[in-house]
Amino acid sequence: KAGVTQTPRYLIKTRGQQVTLSCSPISGHRSVSWYQQTPGQGLQFLFEYFSETQRNKGNFPGRFSGRQFSNSRSEMNVSTLELGDSALYLCASSLAGGPTGELFFGEGSRLTVL
Amino acid sequence: DAKTTQPNSMESNEEEPVHLPCNHSTISGTDYIHWYRQLPSQGPEYVIHGLTSNVNNRMASLAIAEDRKSSTLILHRATLRDAAVYYCILNSGANNLFFGTGTRLTVIP
Repeated sequence: KAGVTQTPRYLIKTRGQQVTLSCSPISGHRSVSWYQQTPGQGLQFLFEYFSETQRNKGNFPGRFSGRQFSNSRSEMNVSTLELGDSALYLCASSLAGGPTGELFFGEGSRLTVL
Repeated sequence: DAKTTQPNSMESNEEEPVHLPCNHSTISGTDYIHWYRQLPSQGPEYVIHGLTSNVNNRMASLAIAEDRKSSTLILHRATLRDAAVYYCILNSGANNLFFGTGTRLTVIP
């Protein structure tokens, strides 16, 4: 059974540019959530999608957005990049979310903003 | 969001038991306690979860205090492969999980 796949694994952008990251969940999983990981802040929740609808959103500015397609694949977009957006972006999928749901994480997309 | 408090780091000798504590004094009745761990250069992986009763699986045991304000992840025999950052989180189903910075476990050969 294939795991969660994130692309690209590494990318470098400059300030002001925008970036799109992709996440393919485990087959059959309908919930996809995104997290930002930095050394100082740890893992922080960005947003969660279920059946193409955003169900929850973390405390990030509107420059961070996402979407989910009918096949449950998800993308997140960051516009007008800032130096502080340099981080590891992790995607996690689960069958349907919920308090007992196990999250399966991808290996992440490491973004460097210069 | 309900949050948890964990020590920044812990050390253990190889093949000895490890008890990783977590405080969650603001836990609500619907919050499940989950533990994940993150090995170097990998995404977090699920370890165990529970609500009120102690739980065991092939990876670890979870001991939950009677008042649910704290819990302890128990690794029965630490191996070098258990060296990771361990996160204790509360999940009410909203999936906006607070991971924090976790506990970095060092296993000494």
